[in-house]
Amino acid sequence: GAVVSQHPSRVICKSGTSVKIECRSLDFQATTMFWYRQFPKQSLMLMATSNEGSKATYEQGVEKDKFLINHASLTLSTLTVTSAHPEDSSFYICSAKATGDLRTFGSGTRLTVV
Amino acid sequence: GQQLNQSPQSMFIQEGEDVSMNCTSSSIFNTWLWYKQDPGEGPVLLIALYKAGELTSNGRLTAQFGTTRKDSFLNISASIPSDVGIYFCAGRRGGGADGLTFGKGTHLIIQP
Repeated sequence: GAVVSQHPSRVICKSGTSVKIECRSLDFQATTMFWYRQFPKQSLMLMATSNEGSKATYEQGVEKDKFLINHASLTLSTLTVTSAHPEDSSFYICSAKATGDLRTFGSGTRLTVV
Repeated sequence: GQQLNQSPQSMFIQEGEDVSMNCTSSSIFNTWLWYKQDPGEGPVLLIALYKAGELTSNGRLTAQFGTTRKDSFLNISASIPSDVGIYFCAGRRGGGADGLTFGKGTHLIIQP
């Protein structure tokens, strides 16, 4: 149980375009999902907390207009990287809060902006 | 954002050896978690710790929640080739649906 599906697994986009990443909880409802970014050989850094039916909470230094989060249902949160630039290239990982304190992670999305 | 101090950064060991890694923080966490991440994948939970002093095992893995709530360690006994990967500690402060703070990771490399 507690499976999180993330799509796409890899995406290459041109500079200036927008990219949408989906995070789905497959067998449970997640009122809260989290979005992380991981640069090569670095740790995961929390970007924002996505709450179903309300606005996301962004960590300090993360631009909310650049990284749009929509959590329209109990099983889906989306992260849209708007006007992407090469410095946005990274590994983006979502996680969902299942029961208790456990967080299940998606398999990540490798974004490359060229 | 804040990170936990995780050490060692990398370990080169022989198959069959025991492994030990730890995380420390200047502030208190109510939950400590240990994850393993393979290349190009998301982290997979290994062990979750909820109480200060708690010692929990999962097969060859053993982890402890420090009594001060500012540290945790993970031990792997009798390492095997599939243990290769990056291990992360993570802490959660509590009080709701807050995200995790991660350590910088320990890269485990096993020499045959």
